[in-house]
Parts: sequence; C-alpha cells; structure tokens
Amino acid sequence: AQKITQTQPGMFVQEKEAVTLDCTYDTSDQSYGLFWYKQPSSGEMIFLIYQGSYDEQNATEGRYSLNFQKARKSANLVISASQLGDSAMYFCAMREAQGDNSGYALNFGKGTSLLVTP
Amino acid sequence: DVKVTQSSRYLVKRTGEKVFLECVQDMDHENMFWYRQDPGLGLRLIYFSYDVKMKEKGDIPEGYSVSREKKERFSLILESASTNQTSMYLCASSLGTADTEAFFGQGTRLTVV
Repeated sequence: AQKITQTQPGMFVQEKEAVTLDCTYDTSDQSYGLFWYKQPSSGEMIFLIYQGSYDEQNATEGRYSLNFQKARKSANLVISASQLGDSAMYFCAMREAQGDNSGYALNFGKGTSLLVTP
Repeated sequence: DVKVTQSSRYLVKRTGEKVFLECVQDMDHENMFWYRQDPGLGLRLIYFSYDVKMKEKGDIPEGYSVSREKKERFSLILESASTNQTSMYLCASSLGTADTEAFFGQGTRLTVV
C-alpha cells in the first residue's frame, strides 16, 4: 500500500498568491518524520521543511509552512507569496522505523508539479 | 557541506550486462538509499542500508542488489540489465534518525538498450 499519497499531479498558482500542496501518509508508528523536497527542472533534490510526529507546533521555514494534522495523517505544504522560481516538482516524504535497530527508511509520494504563472 | 557523489551522470548499457552504480558520501552517515525516479511515479525506494553490510529491501528490489562494504560507499547492482530498468537513479544519505533529512546525489540517467 502507498505510504505517502499526493493527490494533485499538477497545480497552478499565480505569482504572489499562496498555494497548498496536499500530502497524506500511512503509518502505525508513533515516531516518524515528515519531509518536503523540491525538485526543479535541473533535477537536484532540495530539502525544504521537516515535521516530527511529536511536534505540537507546525513547522515553518521562511515562506514554507507545514500544516500538520496528526489525527488525519496529513502534512500539507503551504507556500506563501509564490514566486516564479517556485515552479518545480514537490515531493512529500516520511521516515519511519524498519524494526529494531534497522534504521529509518525514507519513502516518497509521487509528487506534485507546481507551475507559478506571472 | 554534505556531499553525495554518484559515479556517473549518464550511462548507456546493453541488455543483459551487469551494471554497477556507485555512490559515495563524505559525512559519515549511517543510512544510505537508492531510488529510481520515473515520470508520474515519484521516487521509489529500491534498497536502503542502515549500517555497513546491513541492508533492507525497499518497494521495488526485484532485479537489483546492493553492496555496502564501507560506510561511505553504497553500490547498486543490476545483475542483468533490462530495458525496463532504464530510469533516473538517485542515491541519498542521512544520519540514522527519523528527524534528519536525506542529502541526494546528482542522479544517474541509465539507458539500457
């Protein structure tokens, strides 16, 4: 079963507007981490923001914030004041334990392609 | 800065060849990962390693194996390359905790003909 679900294959937003990219996840662990990455057309993977399962406050990093709703198992990324340079693929990811002393795998969703228009 | 280096940016191999993709990190990270990325499918985890000589299968391990003899190096092996293994392969590394991000290499575009 898919652990990370991103239901929006593509999104458009106008410059200076805010946009929300959806992410839901599936885990039975109590301790896990949620991440968002950006992949521009150049192909590099850029880490944006992290939210821990025990964090009570939503994470924020500059124009990025994570709307974490633990009971609903959702971790949506909010980008405020969109810029043309925000056009990229955005991936939601989760780290969860693989068992005793077996480390934490990192699983990704299928991504959302965001296009920011002038 | 963390550096994750993949040995090749582009690779063309023939069907049936044994293919090695190499990845080296310089930050003493415990965890290393191999993904393949295909349009519309996101990043799919092939294997990850949580320590030297230790590995776990990801979602799509069939047709692949891995080797981690030293902490800094994680190799992905295609025992007998097939055309459906044509893809972008991404290596990543991280510390071994749930709250640390992974750092990625630049990717290897593998074409099997």
